[in-house]
Amino acid sequence: NAGVTQTPKFRILKIGQSMTLQCTQDMNHNYMYWYRQDPGMGLKLIYYSVGAGITDKGEVPNGYNVSRSTTEDFPLRLELAAPSQTSVYFCASSPSRGLTDTQYFGPGTRLTVL
Amino acid sequence: AQTVTQSQPEMSVQEAETVTLSCTYDTSESNYYLFWYKQPPSRQMILVIRQEAYKQQNATENRFSVNFQKAAKSFSLKISDSQLGDTAMYFCAFMKVGGGADGLTFGKGTHLIIQP
Repeated sequence: NAGVTQTPKFRILKIGQSMTLQCTQDMNHNYMYWYRQDPGMGLKLIYYSVGAGITDKGEVPNGYNVSRSTTEDFPLRLELAAPSQTSVYFCASSPSRGLTDTQYFGPGTRLTVL
Repeated sequence: AQTVTQSQPEMSVQEAETVTLSCTYDTSESNYYLFWYKQPPSRQMILVIRQEAYKQQNATENRFSVNFQKAAKSFSLKISDSQLGDTAMYFCAFMKVGGGADGLTFGKGTHLIIQP
């Protein structure tokens, strides 16, 4: 199993550009999450999904959109990139939300908006 | 909403020493989970230890143990016989039990440096 994979690893965007961060998991997990980590800070939840076709907002959803058409994929879309979206983005998945259902994290995507 | 506070931005100890990282949280929930995650320079988030709020017994995982004080809303991590590979950012995290728009709520982290 590859676990949770994210692409790209690094990306530089210009203000106003758009892009999609890809996230794929091969563990058949129902729950998937997108977090962002700003410098010197912990991770903050952007969006989450409890299964294909179901998504919901987290703590910091503004400027982002998600979709979940399959169990495996949970892409994060940035429209009209702004410098405030410079961050490291982590995707995570878990079978459910129980204590023993650890959230498995991807390696992250470092995004810079100039 | 819940908050997680880690008051030690950075700590440094000698190899083989014992170190304790502090974490406090604020919540109105009665049932929840608490976690410590490790983030080495590779950026990979690695689960270190987890605790259920309704269990009074403190969780342990090899050299890692917690001191969970529910009334004080405190959840500290103790690392015994520290090793160079323990050098990393450590994040305390909270997750409530049940449904809702929730993943993990993280603290700002503590940068732990193990000196040779």
